[in-house]
Amino acid sequence: DARVTQTPRDKVTEMGQEVTMRCQPILGHNTVFWYRQTMMQGLELLAYFRNRAPLDDSGMPKDRFSAEMPDATLATLKIQPSEPRDSAVYFCASARHPPGELFFGEGSRLTVL
Amino acid sequence: DQQVKQNSPSLSVQEGRISILNCDYTNSMFDYFLWYKKYPAEGPTFLISISSIKDKNEDGRFTVFLNKSAKHLSLHIVPSQPGDSAVYFCAAATFQGAQKLVFGQGTRLTINP
Repeated sequence: DARVTQTPRDKVTEMGQEVTMRCQPILGHNTVFWYRQTMMQGLELLAYFRNRAPLDDSGMPKDRFSAEMPDATLATLKIQPSEPRDSAVYFCASARHPPGELFFGEGSRLTVL
Repeated sequence: DQQVKQNSPSLSVQEGRISILNCDYTNSMFDYFLWYKKYPAEGPTFLISISSIKDKNEDGRFTVFLNKSAKHLSLHIVPSQPGDSAVYFCAAATFQGAQKLVFGQGTRLTINP
């Protein structure tokens, strides 16, 4: 049963702390996305990678957010320092390219106090 | 700048009746549209899509209609069932960047018995 795996599922932290979220894409998928869900904006695209190379990170606040793919089985999203406005659910999704359906993970709920 | 808008945050429909969810977009370059469904504590899952060369696509109880001149699409669910209660996200992309989906804010659909 292939699926996208995200950790942690829930994270509560204090303002100023570093937060790292991890994603294991589906084996064989070469495109990985990070989305953030907020009430006002819905699902916002933060960044995406193809074959581990970043293609677009224009949706990401560059001063505090960073996204990487150390290898084909791991994508990370880091926030340093975290702020209360970063509180949201962060989703990772993966897909094959050429174009194929996006498969989402269950999300990481982040609360920054 | 919200390129994809779902103006109804919530919708309540009686079981067995038709549910109609609406979505508007502003970017005329979009030519591929999708609907995703999301249950609590789960990631969004793909439901149905339509390309701009069509004005209707049907899959069982779900039909998506596209009105390119009005930049509007809608999802019809008939008959509605309690298991359809979820948040529905409209998404759009260009074929060139077919996997770079731009999502709306979502509409929470509740089906009442």
